Amino acid sequence: EVQLLESGGGLVQPGGSLRLSCAASGFTFSIYAMNWVRQAPGKGLEWVSVISGSGDSTFYADSVKGRLTISRDNSKNTLSLQMNSLRAEDTAVYYCATLRQDDGGNSAFDYWGQGTLVTVSS
Amino acid sequence: DIQMTQSPSSLSASVGERVTITCRASQSISNFLNWYQQKAGKAPRLLIHTASSLQSGVPSSFSGSGSGTDFTLTISSLQPEDFATYYCQQSYSTPPTFGQGTKVEI
Repeated sequence: EVQLLESGGGLVQPGGSLRLSCAASGFTFSIYAMNWVRQAPGKGLEWVSVISGSGDSTFYADSVKGRLTISRDNSKNTLSLQMNSLRAEDTAVYYCATLRQDDGGNSAFDYWGQGTLVTVSS
Repeated sequence: DIQMTQSPSSLSASVGERVTITCRASQSISNFLNWYQQKAGKAPRLLIHTASSLQSGVPSSFSGSGSGTDFTLTISSLQPEDFATYYCQQSYSTPPTFGQGTKVEI
């Protein structure tokens, strides 16, 4: 059974830092691209970042570029998100999600963790 | 970025009713379109990928159609457990983008 368990959320002041983790189990972690997707309170879903299975390739939403850094440790089946220079608008539940890719080129977020809440406030 | 627009933003329906949600992309995305269901306080769940392919374990009462810019999610007979918010998402180009959501209420 695929399991994704996020941790590390909490209350942080504007300009502060936080590191989120996602512990994965039940699948071959190293062959899957992994993502962070966030959801502000009462709002819709916003993709944040993706990292390839090997960790060699990363992409970010413009809204977080230069402030958030995605990484992974395939030896520990762990995905991370280092969050620096946090702003009030970063307040959200952060989900880690696997990315399924089919032969036709489509990709979808097929497994999700339960999410961890980050609140940026003074 | 590709903009995804869902309609309606919310709808009221009864158990047993047929429900249709539409999603429009700001440019052609072929069939690179996915649908998710999210219940209150829970993570999203993948329902349909590649516009019309049912994800494993999803009831056959859910179906998807469309290509290019216009897509539809249909629930053939609404069940109590189907009351939730539904999101479309394009995977044609980076960044992947979601619709604003459609809340299905009683």
